[in-house]
Amino acid sequence: DAMVIQNPRYQVTQFGKPVTLSCSQTLNHNVMYWYQQKSSQAPKLLFHYYDKDFNNEADTPDNFQSRRPNTSFCFLDIRSPGLGDAAMYLCATSRGPQGTSGYTFGSGTRLTVV
Amino acid sequence: GNSVTQMEGPVTLSEEAFLTINCTYTATGYPSLFWYVQYPGEGLQLLLKATKADDKGSNKGFEATYRKETTSFHLEKGSVQVSDSAVYFCALSHNTNAGKSTFGDGTTLTVKP
Repeated sequence: DAMVIQNPRYQVTQFGKPVTLSCSQTLNHNVMYWYQQKSSQAPKLLFHYYDKDFNNEADTPDNFQSRRPNTSFCFLDIRSPGLGDAAMYLCATSRGPQGTSGYTFGSGTRLTVV
Repeated sequence: GNSVTQMEGPVTLSEEAFLTINCTYTATGYPSLFWYVQYPGEGLQLLLKATKADDKGSNKGFEATYRKETTSFHLEKGSVQVSDSAVYFCALSHNTNAGKSTFGDGTTLTVKP
């Protein structure tokens, strides 16, 4: 089945130690998004890629970076995780920027900072 | 800007009860509207959608109708099951905003046997 896969499901990292979360998709969707979600609150958009074009949200901290080396993969890098960065990180894809098809989400990576 | 307001939770129902979760939105033009469901420890799953006024989205017994006159997209199910216990998110997407979705705060539903 075509899907969005996030690895790992659970990640524990030390305060200040860089960490990378990964997302892959077999849907061949043009757009990939990274969301941060805390305690079943509304997901908060960090950034998205439309093909190779990177789009950062204005309030996304500089501590968060992203890479999309090809259509299938997208990475979220947290350069110096703080305790406040502990959250569920959700990757999502959509077919195009029109917004009519909805998102396909991965299962998420729960990040713990110790 | 765009915004979505959902009925506050948590909502607790007995099995086979009728479910309504209210959702209203603010947006210019004609956004697409969605309901997503999130089971514990999982990502969100698209439950249903509607892309124009008076469209009805339906899936797994859930329904929602796009009402432009009341800017609403209320989620309904005639008879809930214990397995429907989850968090439900209403969302909108607008093609003038690069397809980015705006989510409501979520409503937690618990169904008791």
